[in-house]
Amino acid sequence: AQSVAQPEDQVNVAEGNPLTVKCTYSVSGNPYLFWYVQYPNRGLQFLLKYITGDNLVKGSYGFEAEFNKSQTSFHLKKPSALVSDSALYFCAVRDMNQAGTALIFGKGTTLSVSS
Amino acid sequence: DVKVTQSSRYLVKRTGEKVFLECVQDMDHENMFWYRQDPGLGLRLIYFSYDVKMKEKGDIPEGYSVSREKKERFSLILESASTNQTSMYLCASRLGQLNQPQHFGDGTRLSIL
Repeated sequence: AQSVAQPEDQVNVAEGNPLTVKCTYSVSGNPYLFWYVQYPNRGLQFLLKYITGDNLVKGSYGFEAEFNKSQTSFHLKKPSALVSDSALYFCAVRDMNQAGTALIFGKGTTLSVSS
Repeated sequence: DVKVTQSSRYLVKRTGEKVFLECVQDMDHENMFWYRQDPGLGLRLIYFSYDVKMKEKGDIPEGYSVSREKKERFSLILESASTNQTSMYLCASRLGQLNQPQHFGDGTRLSIL
């Protein structure tokens, strides 16, 4: 069965510091991995995805994520946090070899960036 | 840009009512999805659809049904609303390829009294 874990309910960082939001996954085959962000009272916005190739993926708003197959992780990172990055972040996975499946989402991590 | 539009942002209904949540996408996407979002539980899949008139159950289909009569529209139906169905409901759509992201609407916050 596919699953995603986001081990931290909340991450707190100071503006200008680097941030990391953690994600680990479990699939039987090879994964497609995604990060989404949700601002209050809005839907989810797509940030970036890993399909194949380079393990470091760059996305919107200066975010990037590193795929690590041996650790089954896909952590979201940003070199310098902004207060406006404060939001709820979701990691999601799909097994690329299982046709007909929707994305499986983690429970979300609230990022709080203080000024 | 892909636009996924949910008909209501906020909705208040009474226990036992039949409730319809509507979702429309404008990008000719084959796949459409309904999730509910609850604090601490993340997003849970209710139903999804690969094509017109086709539907598949997700993780929590009980108490819900869906309808997809046209490619751009995917409706979620609460047959007899109950208070435990009070939640945020999110609709999403996606191209047919598995490596494509899902695009979400802004959600409907549904309260059942």
